[in-house]
Amino acid sequence: DAMVIQNPRYQVTQFGKPVTLSCSQTLNHNVMYWYQQKSSQAPKLLFHYYDKDFNNEADTPDNFQSRRPNTSFCFLDIRSPGLGDAAMYLCATSKGTPDRETQYFGPGTRLLVL
Amino acid sequence: AQKITQTQPGMFVQEKEAVTLDCTYDTSDPSYGLFWYKQPSSGEMIFLIYQGSYDQQNATEGRYSLNFQKARKSANLVISASQLGDSAMYFCAMREGNGNYQLIWGAGTKLIIKP
Repeated sequence: DAMVIQNPRYQVTQFGKPVTLSCSQTLNHNVMYWYQQKSSQAPKLLFHYYDKDFNNEADTPDNFQSRRPNTSFCFLDIRSPGLGDAAMYLCATSKGTPDRETQYFGPGTRLLVL
Repeated sequence: AQKITQTQPGMFVQEKEAVTLDCTYDTSDPSYGLFWYKQPSSGEMIFLIYQGSYDQQNATEGRYSLNFQKARKSANLVISASQLGDSAMYFCAMREGNGNYQLIWGAGTKLIIKP
């Protein structure tokens, strides 16, 4: 089945220790997204790629970076995690067509910062 | 002003009953799309149903239907014959315009199905 895969499902890191979350997709979609979701809140878009074109949201902290080495993979790097960065991180993809642009999500990675 | 409003923070519904989750939206763009997602406690965000602003008929997907009232700017999700597995957080979201990849999200409604 075509899908969006996120690894790991749970990640524990220490305050200030860099961490990388990964996302892969077999849908062959052009657009990939990273969201941060805190408890009982709606997801917040951090950035997205249309193919290799990177689009950063204005309020995304510099502490968050992303890489998309090819169509299938996208990484979220948190350079110096703080306690406030503990959250669910959701990766999503979409085709990149102008109409009926549905985003499909992976299972998410829960990040805990100690 | 809120662009997507979900007025029900939480709902309890008896199993097998139908349930309606409310969503109102605000946009001046004539072209937009409305989405409903389900998020169980496991965390995965599951796409349920889509309604385009120019769609003539209300969207349906299995037990899910969307009651789209364009003049009222509402897009309520109806779940028929609710099941225990329907217990989850439900989010309404909107995409404005064409070529715009950002979704605007509502605050969500926590639905609990009682046996």
